[in-house]
Amino acid sequence: DIVMTQSPDSLAVSLGERATVNCKSSQSVLSTSNNRNYLAWFQQKPGQPPKLLISWASTRESGVPDRFSGSGSGTDFTLTISSLQAEDVAVYYCQQYYSAPITFGQGTQLEIK
Amino acid sequence: EVQLVESGGDLVQPGGSLRLSCVGSGFTFSNSWMSWVRQAPGKGLEWVANIKKDGSEKYYADSVKGRFTISRDNAENSLYLQMNSLRAEDTAVYYCAGDFACTYWGQGTLVTVSS
Repeated sequence: DIVMTQSPDSLAVSLGERATVNCKSSQSVLSTSNNRNYLAWFQQKPGQPPKLLISWASTRESGVPDRFSGSGSGTDFTLTISSLQAEDVAVYYCQQYYSAPITFGQGTQLEIK
Repeated sequence: EVQLVESGGDLVQPGGSLRLSCVGSGFTFSNSWMSWVRQAPGKGLEWVANIKKDGSEKYYADSVKGRFTISRDNAENSLYLQMNSLRAEDTAVYYCAGDFACTYWGQGTLVTVSS
């Protein structure tokens, strides 16, 4: 199984500042056949289901603000929020869908400093 | 608008069985991989199982293999999870998720396993 490890477990950032969440996979999730990273980022607010923010490591979903961006390849990935807003307080998860079983990171709790 | 609506969650005794259902609309259900993902109280996300568009391939987490069965009925835009031999550690909100990267999510249904 591919193990997904996020860092940090929790993060406090001031409004308007940059927030960065890291995700490392125990093996590469880059497909050599199509050169795509099978890596997604989700946001989950209390009492709500997860929301897909980014797929293929860097493709933002429709309607997701452009302050959210994803980067990385192979085994190391980053979710960046360029200017933190109050509504961004949530838990963020990375997920690999390269191979079964699909696996999630443990989550990163993002709070306002 | 994409909608996924789960049902079937309940309080069940250890060793019991339960069948969850999920109905999808607003997207081409028959052309989408579908998954079940669960979240125990206060914990993170755990993928449970997924099924290919035509039902020809199914995959399971080790924690549920041999006890849970995923199935689908494309004519009814429906996804199912048959859960047998339930354990306390299966207590969670169960989400239905659509598309290969879990693009679409339902609101979830609560399964509580307790005596």
